[in-house]
Amino acid sequence: QDQLVQSGAEVKKPGSSVKVSCKASGDTFNRYSISWVRQAPGQGPEWMGRIIPSVDIPNYAQRFQGRVTITADKSTTTAYMELTSLTSEDTAVYYCARNGVASIGDNYFFYPMDVWGQGTTVTVSS
Amino acid sequence: DIQMTQSPSTLSASVGDRVTISCRASQSISGWLAWYQQKPGKAPKLLIYKASSLESGVPSRFSGSGSGTEFTLTISSLQPDDFATYYCQQYSNFSPWTFGQGTKVEVK
Repeated sequence: QDQLVQSGAEVKKPGSSVKVSCKASGDTFNRYSISWVRQAPGQGPEWMGRIIPSVDIPNYAQRFQGRVTITADKSTTTAYMELTSLTSEDTAVYYCARNGVASIGDNYFFYPMDVWGQGTTVTVSS
Repeated sequence: DIQMTQSPSTLSASVGDRVTISCRASQSISGWLAWYQQKPGKAPKLLIYKASSLESGVPSRFSGSGSGTEFTLTISSLQPDDFATYYCQQYSNFSPWTFGQGTKVEVK
C-alpha cells in the first residue's frame, strides 16, 4: 500500500529556513505528483504547491512564491519542501500528499489528494 | 484565488441524524470539488471527488452533489465515527487550490 512518511518535528528561529522531507513508497514517484499543504493551529488547510517528480516540474501558490522551494529526488523517492524567511505565522503542521496527474498535450490536470503523510509540526519561535 | 465558503461552521447532531454541509465557490469550478474528513491530530482523508464520486473504501452513507458554485456533502445516517471536521476543496486547473474554512460536526 502506498504511503508517505515525513521527517520529524522542527523548532526554528524567526528568519531561518526549514526543510521537510517526504519519503514515498510504491509507484508514487512514477505516476503521481506530490503536493504540500499546511495547517496552522485551528485553521483550515492551505495548499502551498506541488511537484511532478517524473518530469521535475514544480508550481507554487502565489502567496508562497519566492519563499518556498519544492524538489524531488527520484533516486530516493523523497520529496522536499523548503520554506525560508520564517515568521511566527509559519507555525503549522506541514503535510505532503499524493495527487494523481494526467497529461493532456503540453498541459497537466491534477486530481485531489488521496494519500497523505503523517504531518510535520514546524514551530517558529524566538 | 477562488474563495470557498462553508456553512455552517459548527453543526450539532445525534447518531442517526441526516447531516448536510454546504460549500460555495466564489466562481464556477464546474465539478472540480473534493470533500475531506479530518479528525484531531490526523491528516485529512479524501471522501468525495469530482463533486459526487465516492472515494474507494468510503462508506456509502456519504454523498456529494452540486456543480458550478454550489455544493453539498450529505451524511445519510450519522455514525459515531463521523464526528469530525469536514472541508471542501476546489481543484480547478486554472487557480491555486483552496479549501473551505471547515465544518465541525459535534455531538448534540
